Amino acid sequence: KNEVEQSPQNLTAQEGEFITINCSYSVGISALHWLQQHPGGGIVSLFMLSSGKKKHGRLIATINIQEKHSSLHITASHPRDSAVYICAAPLDDTGNQFYFGTGTSLTVIP
Amino acid sequence: EAGVAQSPRYKIIEKRQSVAFWCNPISGHATLYWYQQILGQGPKLLIQFQNNGVVDDSQLPKDRFSAERLKGVDSTLKIQPAKLEDSAVYLCASSPVSGRQPQHFGDGTRLSIL
Repeated sequence: KNEVEQSPQNLTAQEGEFITINCSYSVGISALHWLQQHPGGGIVSLFMLSSGKKKHGRLIATINIQEKHSSLHITASHPRDSAVYICAAPLDDTGNQFYFGTGTSLTVIP
Repeated sequence: EAGVAQSPRYKIIEKRQSVAFWCNPISGHATLYWYQQILGQGPKLLIQFQNNGVVDDSQLPKDRFSAERLKGVDSTLKIQPAKLEDSAVYLCASSPVSGRQPQHFGDGTRLSIL
């Protein structure tokens, strides 16, 4: 069993749709990371959050520490949002190493 | 701020050959990580450096993989000899000393073994 599990694994949406990606984890953590990986392989850190909700542009991330669950939402999706979204939970309090989810591959169709 | 630089972007070699990857972290970042990401899987940590010292290399296949960060800045990851199962994207990341900051990732090197 993976310490971090994501769903769905693959997601196809029409441009403009509201998208939700879910992440559940079994380890005790103080913060969770959401990462975006484009087809070329580069990874960008989107959010690091420890409680509540964070918003950046059309991206919203929420976390419920008690339920060990986080969601990443994309409003008004666009083809350029097509990427793999990965959630990552720190192994320990140092925040140096992570359990990574296997990612959700998102394709947004024009 | 310049990001994490990696080279080459792509590499194709035959099995049993050797290959080396290079990473230049963000200036001032003491912690450097090498990850292996096999298609369809999340990144797996291979080795973590703090300055020029190794913090964790427990998942590094030491019979064929080696990494160094001699001056605490640039790092190289080497595979010798390569096997088919080494085909993956190799990602380098860096973070400030505190470790609780988000890691900054490079674009990765996509390695294909023929």
